[in-house]
Amino acid sequence: GENVEQHPSTLSVQEGDSAVIKCTYSDSASNYFPWYKQELGKRPQLIIDIRSNVGEKKDQRIAVTLNKTAKHFSLHITETQPEDSAVYFCAAPGNAGNMLTFGGGTRLMVKP
Amino acid sequence: EAGVTQFPSHSVIEKGQTVTLRCDPISGHDNLYWYRRVMGKEIKFLLHFVKESKQDESGMPNNRFLAERTGGTYSTLKVQPAELEDSGVYFCASSPGYWTEAFFGQGTRLTVV
Repeated sequence: GENVEQHPSTLSVQEGDSAVIKCTYSDSASNYFPWYKQELGKRPQLIIDIRSNVGEKKDQRIAVTLNKTAKHFSLHITETQPEDSAVYFCAAPGNAGNMLTFGGGTRLMVKP
Repeated sequence: EAGVTQFPSHSVIEKGQTVTLRCDPISGHDNLYWYRRVMGKEIKFLLHFVKESKQDESGMPNNRFLAERTGGTYSTLKVQPAELEDSGVYFCASSPGYWTEAFFGQGTRLTVV
């Protein structure tokens, strides 16, 4: 099955700085890589995803990069704001694509 | 359009009791997943339905857990008898297909005392 490792487990940044979260995966057949944000007490929600036919995708202050050769992908948040504080999860499907395996999560704290 | 809904939002039960969690997926989503997050750790897969069929139940911890999806609509997850280590937040998610966004419910926080 798929194995997803996520680092760091906690990340503290000053408001306005950038934050980078990295994930590695094991199944080379995986071709869909979503990132979820979970605010305290709320449900995980998709914030951005990338498919294996592209190497980078941006949506305003959020970007995801993918390196299929190295089997890792990263979330980049620029100009962080206090409302970015949350737990972020990366995920990848296995070869069958039937379910997502999640990374361990990164607790991001943005200090005003 | 209604999102994924779960009931109850919280449940506190004693060890040895039975609890049934319910999930109503987004209408038309054939894929329904159960996940669990324990003590702020990772979101762990439990099982996956495609319509009414169990596609993958490799994440179910043991035979105290039983999941059903009647008629391919809502799903239930029963824990019987509950143990202390079953405490956590149980999430349900649904999606229209593979390799696409999974929409999560708000979760059921289960506390076994």
